[in-house]
Amino acid sequence: DAKTTQPTSMDCAEGRAANLPCNHSTISGNEYVYWYRQIHSQGPQYIIHGLKNNETNEMASLIITEDRKSSTLILPHATLRDTAVYYCLLYNFNKFYFGSGTKLNVKP
Amino acid sequence: NAGVTQTPKFRILKIGQSMTLQCTQDMNHNYMYWYRQDPGMGLKLIYYSVGAGITDKGEVPNGYNVSRSTTEDFPLRLELAAPSQTSVYFCASSPIGVDTDTQYFGPGTRLTVL
Repeated sequence: DAKTTQPTSMDCAEGRAANLPCNHSTISGNEYVYWYRQIHSQGPQYIIHGLKNNETNEMASLIITEDRKSSTLILPHATLRDTAVYYCLLYNFNKFYFGSGTKLNVKP
Repeated sequence: NAGVTQTPKFRILKIGQSMTLQCTQDMNHNYMYWYRQDPGMGLKLIYYSVGAGITDKGEVPNGYNVSRSTTEDFPLRLELAAPSQTSVYFCASSPIGVDTDTQYFGPGTRLTVL
């Protein structure tokens, strides 16, 4: 049973903001939302995480809805190097559950 | 720091053979994980450990075994290799604490079972 659902793929123009949605309607109160990305076949790379509040770091912003049933990862100015598979996952009791992810294609 | 290192990078096994995938981290992280990733799919957790001497099953533990005798090392053992175990295997580690549990991944081991 998938704990998160994401679109299979998305396109984004270089220099524009990329908004990647994630649905996690069965999230429990103590589960964090994490985002990772995987470029080619490398090991996944941490991007950002949050519990209830919106978060921002040097890579991205994370917007979590008030009911916590969905979230959006925002890459403010996508570059060609941001082309990757982006995973939204939940952290629960020492375990991370990866879904199938969204393939983001950044185009010139 | 080297971070998380995995050996070997590539391996081809025959059905029924055994092997151990090595994973070492030099960040003094208590938590370590093994994942597998099949082509076009997300990662699935095989086993994890919250500290030396403590291991537990993840989503897909069948056909694998692990041990954690030191903080640094977390080897994954395949006893009787099967074609279904053809996959890329990633090891990861993270520091203790829920809010700081960013996972750091190794480069992966590509395993083919023929």
